[in-house]
This record gives sequence, structure tokens and C-alpha cells, in this order.
Amino acid sequence: SQKIEQNSEALNIQEGKTATLTCNYTNYSPAYLQWYRQDPGRGPVFLLLIRENEKEKRKERLKVTFDTTLKQSLFHITASQPADSATYLCALVGNFNKFYFGSGTKLNVKP
Amino acid sequence: DGGITQSPKYLFRKEGQNVTLSCEQNLNHDAMYWYRQDPGQGLRLIYYSHIVNDFQKGDIAEGYSVSREKKESFPLTVTSAQKNPTAFYLCASSMRGGDETQYFGPGTRLLVL
Repeated sequence: SQKIEQNSEALNIQEGKTATLTCNYTNYSPAYLQWYRQDPGRGPVFLLLIRENEKEKRKERLKVTFDTTLKQSLFHITASQPADSATYLCALVGNFNKFYFGSGTKLNVKP
Repeated sequence: DGGITQSPKYLFRKEGQNVTLSCEQNLNHDAMYWYRQDPGQGLRLIYYSHIVNDFQKGDIAEGYSVSREKKESFPLTVTSAQKNPTAFYLCASSMRGGDETQYFGPGTRLLVL
């Protein structure tokens, strides 16, 4: 079955630095991958989608890369701010258009 | 305002009781989904529907039931057969189902008395 792995340990970084989160997947070759942000007690909010033929996608301070050979996506937040503190989830669509989400990585940006 | 709403925000269930969680969207989306989230875990798909009057089981459908009689509504019933129902339940919708983004509701936290 499809498996998505994100680092379960929280990532603690200093304000202004670049945060990099990792998403690895197995047993599938998705056509695209998505990243979401989730704040405590709230529903996830879509951030970025990257397709298999796109090596990199940017949106303001966010950057996503997609390496289909390594079966890995990296999510970067540059010039991080305390307001970026949240849990970040990656997701991909598997067979029968089912969405699969990773367990998320919690990011803590310290002022 | 367009969006997806869930109610109630908190729900308490007694032993042997069935409870229904509401999910409504006015985004004119065809596809709707129900997920369960446990602490420290990702979202697990319970049921999904890509069109009215049709729905499919997700990975953890046992102990749950749904209906999709209207495009806007996708209620989830947690039955007494679900022995560990305490979790955060999230409803989502997307335009067609497949390679679109999902829009999530605010969630319902279900607790067992």
C-alpha cells in the first residue's frame, strides 16, 4: 500500500533561517504532490502543488522540489517567521483518486 | 461567504450510541471526503464521494457510514460498531476529485463519555 513518511520530530529553527521539511513516499509514482499547513485544532490549508514534470515550484517565501527518482519532495520556507510555526503535511493521490496524507512535521520558529 | 462548514465543533458520544457529524459546502464541488486524525498521526481516509448518490470506502470505513443525497452535504455517522471513536474528524471537498486541492472544514472533535 501507499506509504508517505515525514519526519515526526519537530523542527526547531531561528527566525530568519530557512526551514526544510522532507516528504518521502513508496510504492507509487504520483503524478503530483501537494503540501498543506495545519494549525492546532484547525483543518489543513492548501499551500502548493507540484507535478512530476516540475522539478521546482515557488510561491512567495515557499519553495517545493519534487524528485521522482528519489521519491522525495522537499518543502522550504525562506526567511522564516514565528507565524510560520505550524504542522506541514504532504499529500499525494494514489489509486482510485484516493488522497494519502503524511503524518506531518511540526515546525517551530523561534524569535 | 463560500466555504465548507462542519458541526458541531465538539460532540460527545455515549456507549452504544450512534452520532452524526454534519458537513456542508457551498463551493459547488463534486467531490467530498471524510478523514479521521488521531494525535501525532496523519489524516486517514474514512469515506469519499465523487458524485451525488455515490460514495466509496476509504482505508478505515469500518464502524462508519455516510450518505450523499445532495451535492452540498456529506454527513458522517459514527456507529456503535466503532469501538475507538475519539478523534478529530475533518471533512473536505474538491472540485472534481483527483488532482485538485482539497478544501477542509474546521473539524469536529468527538469524545466518548
